[in-house]
Parts: sequence; C-alpha cells; structure tokens
Amino acid sequence: GNSVTQMQGQVTLSEEEFLFINCTYSTTGYPTLFWYVQYPGEGPQLLLKVTTANNKGSSRGFEATYDKGTTSFHLQKASVQESDSAVYYCVLGRDTNAYKVIFGKGTHLHVLP
Amino acid sequence: GPKVLQIPSHQIIDMGQMVTLNCDPVSNHLYFYWYKQILGQQMEFLVNFYNGKVMEKSKLFKDQFSVERPDGSYFTLKIQPTALEDSAVYFCASSLEGARNTGQLYFGEGSKLTVL
Repeated sequence: GNSVTQMQGQVTLSEEEFLFINCTYSTTGYPTLFWYVQYPGEGPQLLLKVTTANNKGSSRGFEATYDKGTTSFHLQKASVQESDSAVYYCVLGRDTNAYKVIFGKGTHLHVLP
Repeated sequence: GPKVLQIPSHQIIDMGQMVTLNCDPVSNHLYFYWYKQILGQQMEFLVNFYNGKVMEKSKLFKDQFSVERPDGSYFTLKIQPTALEDSAVYFCASSLEGARNTGQLYFGEGSKLTVL
C-alpha cells in the first residue's frame, strides 16, 4: 500500500546545529513528495515539494532530495534557529486515480536557544 | 498567501448531538479535504471532495459523517450523532489541483471538537 514512515517522533537541537529528519515512503508509480510544517495552533503549511525523482527541493534553508532508489525524502538544514521549532510532516502525493495526500506521523523539532 | 477559514475554532458538545464544522476554502480552488488530528498525533485523512462529490474516503469517515458544499458556499463536515472518539482537531484543506497533479494543499487553522 501507500505509506510514509518518519521514525523520529521528536528531535531536540541547539541553535546552529545540523538538522536531519528521516523519511521513507512506499508507493507505486511516481509520487510527488512534500514536507509540510505545522506551528502550534496552526494548520500545516507547505515547506517544499519535489515532483521529479532525483531532484532536490529547497526553501528557507531546508532541503530534501527525492531519492527513488532508496525511496527516501530526508529533510535537512545546515543551521537551525529557535523559530524552526515545529512539527514537520513528510507527505506523499499519489499520482493514481486517487485525490489525496498521505501524511507521515510527524517529527516534533524543538530548538533550544 | 491564500487563506482557508474554519468556523468555529472550538466547539464543545454532548455525545449524541450533531455538529457542523464549516470551511471557507481558497476562492478558486476545486478540491476540498478534511483531516482529523487527535492531540499530539498525526494528521489522518478523512475525505476529499471534488465537483460536488466525495472522491475518496478513509475508514475513519464513518456513516455518521457527511460532507457537502451547497452552491459554492462553505464546505461542511457534519457529524450526527457524535461519539466520544470524535474529539479531535479537524483540519480543512483545499487545492487548485488534485494530488494527481501535484497540487499543494492549503490548510485552515483547525476546528477543535470536544465531545463530552
């Protein structure tokens, strides 16, 4: 079936540390992959997306590479800030006859000042 | 950027009552979604809606749930009757294109439902 796996439920870093959030997916066909970010009291908002395998997406210092070989879409940032504290969702957009996107469980990033 | 408005932001009701959650999607969007999020847990897909019809729904979308968007007004989620396990934050989302066309979803801020 279609699924997204984020193994890390919570990540705690200090400012200026390197961020790596693991994401793997399972599906058929050629999905679009997204990272959404959810700040407290808000709905998720798009951080970045990649539509083509082996391409990289980037936004606000975050980047992720769509690796079809390893079925991964890990999120990275070289230097986090306290304002990056939020929940990050890896999301799969299916390109079959369905019209939905599938969320991973989310990774809560807590950045200490 | 584009905004999705959800009304109410918070509602408390007794088990067995009916509740309607309202969503005002982005004006030119064509696809509409409801997601459910229990506190601290993941976003779970409930249903999507296009051209006046439910396109797909999950197992969480019980028989007590219904959606509609009469005449381009609010996109609504109705639960009748409610149960304790319906307590959650419900997020509405809309997109111009469907997931098949790599459409980005725009989410509202959620409607927190508490069933007593």
